[in-house]
Amino acid sequence: DIVMTQSPLSLPVTPGEPASISCRSSQSLLHSNGYNYLAWYLQKPGKSPQLLIYLGSNRASGVPVRFTGSGSGTDFTLKISRVEADDVGVYYCMHTLQTPFTFGGGTKVEIK
Amino acid sequence: QVHLVQSGAEVKKSGASVKVSCKASGHTFSNYAIHWVRQAPGQRLEWVGWINAGNGKTKYSQRFQGRATMTRDTSASTVYMELTSLTSEDSAVYYCAKVQPDFEAFDIWGQGTMVTVSS
Repeated sequence: DIVMTQSPLSLPVTPGEPASISCRSSQSLLHSNGYNYLAWYLQKPGKSPQLLIYLGSNRASGVPVRFTGSGSGTDFTLKISRVEADDVGVYYCMHTLQTPFTFGGGTKVEIK
Repeated sequence: QVHLVQSGAEVKKSGASVKVSCKASGHTFSNYAIHWVRQAPGQRLEWVGWINAGNGKTKYSQRFQGRATMTRDTSASTVYMELTSLTSEDSAVYYCAKVQPDFEAFDIWGQGTMVTVSS
């Protein structure tokens, strides 16, 4: 199974400041079609996860432009250019290159 | 807009089985790939398996092979996940989620079903 490792575990941020979350996979997520099979989700308190980024760097519909996904192969990053209060929750990366799909352990973003 | 609506919370005894449903709205149910993911307290999200709503083909995580069964009722636009031989470690919120094929990601999630297993 592919192991997904996220850091940091917790990320206190000041509104208006940037934030960055790292996700590493135990093997490359680059498919032969040129896409990285890596997605990012945000789970707000008491809610289901919601899709933010798919195929490594594509924003899902309705996701603000302050969210950016980047990286390739085994190293990926989710950046929030200017954190807002509504961005609090737990962020997860997940691969879909092969079954079983696996998730990172999550990064809890909270406002200072 | 597609919605996935799951059945309500369940409380079961150890050794029992639970069956959770996930009803999909939308006109193209048979085109859906529905996955199940669970979230135990303090644990990371865990993929259980998936079902092709069109042909009923399934694939399960090795961890759940033999204990999880996914089925579908196309006339009701509903998929089901049954988990047998429950233990306290199966206490979790179970989510169904739909794959958007062009995204290779879960674009729609159900609201979750809490399953509590007591001894």
